[in-house]
Amino acid sequence: QKEVEQNSGPLSVPEGAIASLNCTYSDRGSQSFFWYRQYSGKSPELIMFIYSNGDKEDGRFTAQLNKASQYVSLLIRDSQPSDSATYLCAVSPGGSQGNLIFGKGTKLSVKP
Amino acid sequence: GAVVSQHPSWVICKSGTSVKIECRSLDFQATTMFWYRQFPKQSLMLMATSNEGSKATYEQGVEKDKFLINHASLTLSTLTVTSAHPEDSSFYICSGQGNYEQYFGPGTRLTVT
Repeated sequence: QKEVEQNSGPLSVPEGAIASLNCTYSDRGSQSFFWYRQYSGKSPELIMFIYSNGDKEDGRFTAQLNKASQYVSLLIRDSQPSDSATYLCAVSPGGSQGNLIFGKGTKLSVKP
Repeated sequence: GAVVSQHPSWVICKSGTSVKIECRSLDFQATTMFWYRQFPKQSLMLMATSNEGSKATYEQGVEKDKFLINHASLTLSTLTVTSAHPEDSSFYICSGQGNYEQYFGPGTRLTVT
């Protein structure tokens, strides 16, 4: 059973702080890794994707991938109240044709 | 990013009736589209994978005769919930596949009374 694990939270950080969201996956052959943001009652929105080991930065967001440890994370710098949402980690298993396996999501709350 | 639309955004229907939900990729061609269902406070559950011009592939436990999927063109997939029951009430979300990522529609909230 291919799994993606996330801490459900809630993760609470003060405004302006760095929020760190973590995700582990079971399929060592996984190729692609995605972070989605989902506001309550809305559908997921793609924030970032990463394919290679290391860091990938986009504005206030940094995705980090460590395939040896089967670990992917998302850092949000200068967190804003508008960042409060559920963050879904998704993994494309090895050999898949686009199917994604989603974690259950981490709820982030940024306090003003 | 790529845009996917869904229609309707919400629908209320009586038990026993059928409901059709449309999913369109507006600015890209989606050879593959996915249908998900999400119950309150739970994660996305993949229902089926829809490939243009072929039969959909359903996940284990999803009744293909109840959830009819048609993907007649590269920009349109439809999900029909037949003989809907209150337990089918949920948030139905489609996505279109880009290169490797998926772009989600805004979702359709179905309430069966």
